[in-house]
Amino acid sequence: KAGVTQTPRYLIKTRGQQVTLSCSPISGHRSVSWYQQTPGQGLQFLFEYFSETQRNKGNFPGRFSGRQFSNSRSEMNVSTLELGDSALYLCASSARTGTYSYEQYFGPGTRLTVT
Amino acid sequence: AQSVTQLGSHVSVSEGALVLLRCNYSSSVPPYLFWYVQYPNQGLQLLLKYTSAATLVKGINGFEAEFKKSETSFHLTKPSAHMSDAAEYFCAVSDYTSDNDMRFGAGTRLTVKP
Repeated sequence: KAGVTQTPRYLIKTRGQQVTLSCSPISGHRSVSWYQQTPGQGLQFLFEYFSETQRNKGNFPGRFSGRQFSNSRSEMNVSTLELGDSALYLCASSARTGTYSYEQYFGPGTRLTVT
Repeated sequence: AQSVTQLGSHVSVSEGALVLLRCNYSSSVPPYLFWYVQYPNQGLQLLLKYTSAATLVKGINGFEAEFKKSETSFHLTKPSAHMSDAAEYFCAVSDYTSDNDMRFGAGTRLTVKP
């Protein structure tokens, strides 16, 4: 089974621009979560989508948004980029493995650099 | 809300020595606990998970972790470190009241000396 894929792997943008990152979950997984990873703040939860609906949201400004398509693929968008948005953006997909248990499978991430 | 604390941002061991990475959790309900490993420029890989079935959980690459409710701990161990174990390790906690609401610790970077 193919793993979680993220495109692009590396991206360089200029302050003020906007960017769209893409994530394809493992086949059959309907939940996709996004995380931002930086040396200073560590792993921070951005949001989670399930069946095209945002189910959870972390504490990030409205410049960060996302969506999920009917095939479970997800995109996240960051508008008006700031230098502090430079980070590794990780996508994870999951499926229920029991009544309550689940686990997340991570993609390799997109390294975003804002100059 | 649940949270985890990883004690020690850096741990260094010699090859062949015991690996012990510490994780303490806080949760208002019985938690689900996870350990992930991240190699440079890669995503996170699940090492093992605790979902209340057994307190001693065995994972991949020879790692295991023991859930201790009295100590609110879920420490990760490996009897004999290998050079390839050098990576960053993350402990994570979730409760089942909110699917996919997973909280990660700050991470522990493991260095293995030859």
